[in-house]
Amino acid sequence: EIVLTQSPGTLSLSPGERATLSCRASQSVSSSYLAWYQQKPGQAPRLLIYGASSRATGIPDRFSGSGSGTDFTLTISRLEPEDFAVYYCQQYGSSPTFGQGTKVEIK
Amino acid sequence: QVTLKESGPVLVKPTETLTLTCTVSGFSLSNARMGVSWIRQPPGKALEWLAHIFSNDEKSYSTSLKSRLTISKDTSKSQVVLTMTNMDPVDTATYYCARDKVVTPYVFDYWGQGTLVTVSS
Repeated sequence: EIVLTQSPGTLSLSPGERATLSCRASQSVSSSYLAWYQQKPGQAPRLLIYGASSRATGIPDRFSGSGSGTDFTLTISRLEPEDFAVYYCQQYGSSPTFGQGTKVEIK
Repeated sequence: QVTLKESGPVLVKPTETLTLTCTVSGFSLSNARMGVSWIRQPPGKALEWLAHIFSNDEKSYSTSLKSRLTISKDTSKSQVVLTMTNMDPVDTATYYCARDKVVTPYVFDYWGQGTLVTVSS
């Protein structure tokens, strides 16, 4: 099973700032089968990024993904008030697994 | 409009079997390009993938929970059913069903609202 470790656990930022979230895999994720989800309290997760860097339908271009192998990054270029949430990475190259999440909170 | 909705008991006792139903609309479970997974999330914790069923009825399960899980579908009712045996308090969680597509397997583009299941005597 591929273990995903996300860092930091919590990111305290102000609206308008840049957010950089990290996801590290315990072994190489084949074909960059890495996705990112956003989850707000009381809601289901929302798909943001798949294939490490492809934005899902309707996702604003301030969200971008990068990386390959074992190291992946989600960047939010300028935080909007609605972006404060928990973000999960997920690998789907083998039996799917999720990271433990990064909370982006208002500073 | 694609929707998924989970239903099932709110409370189950330890050792009982949990049966959850996911009713979908806006797409067909017989569509060769679609699949449905079950994913759970204990309160305040991370997501955990449980099981998946493809349109051709091919199934896959979490390695750690495989012995306790069964996933099936009833295409005529647009439902996917998950059973989990021998429930324990650690299985207390919100259970989600989610859709994926064959072109991007296990990438979940639509999710149900989730149903909270508490395991307690």
